[in-house]
Amino acid sequence: DAGITQSPRHKVTETGTPVTLRCHQTENHRYMYWYRQDPGHGLRLIHYSYGVKDTDKGEVSDGYSVSRSKTEDFLLTLESATSSQTSVYFCAISESGGGPRYFGPGTRLTVL
Amino acid sequence: AQSVTQLDSQVPVFEEAPVELRCNYSSSVSVYLFWYVQYPNQGLQLLLKYLSGSTLVKGINGFEAEFNKSQTSFHLRKPSVHISDTAEYFCAVSHVYNQGGKLIFGQGTELSVKP
Repeated sequence: DAGITQSPRHKVTETGTPVTLRCHQTENHRYMYWYRQDPGHGLRLIHYSYGVKDTDKGEVSDGYSVSRSKTEDFLLTLESATSSQTSVYFCAISESGGGPRYFGPGTRLTVL
Repeated sequence: AQSVTQLDSQVPVFEEAPVELRCNYSSSVSVYLFWYVQYPNQGLQLLLKYLSGSTLVKGINGFEAEFNKSQTSFHLRKPSVHISDTAEYFCAVSHVYNQGGKLIFGQGTELSVKP
């Protein structure tokens, strides 16, 4: 299995609180992605990174920010969580820009 | 903009039978195409991808897919399925000029293999 971990794996929080999800990889891959998975919507890209400090928005980026200060870590922050952000969040990595190669195990986030 | 349609939300099939999971895409430019599999309570795994070259792509676990540009399709096939193939399958597309390989995913097809 590829070396990609996510933390926490489960989180319950309240509306209005900030939340940070962490993705850590040991593959030294250049590209990292954050997706959310919701029933009926498949996976939707939130943000992605093409290098340290280089990030760009995906199709559902509103309410989310990201940071990548090291090759191995990609953080996703919900500045003020809302119930609509209840979802399963997946991090993914790839060596080249040809699409995600490996996915992490996911983080199940519940916003009450 | 690209879009992906997986034509079947659920596909039940008996063990050792063949299966085809259908995927159509829409794009005004050339595309890359992908199939991923998600087992229960796990992340996604890349099954196969088409970037260029031969239109018949072979992937892991005995799956293959054929890129048909005229029909804008990328259907996934397996000649004989096993119980362990029970999972959700996602088709995805990105256009070739897309920096970073941002993918658009279909809504998924649940494959249920019955004994």
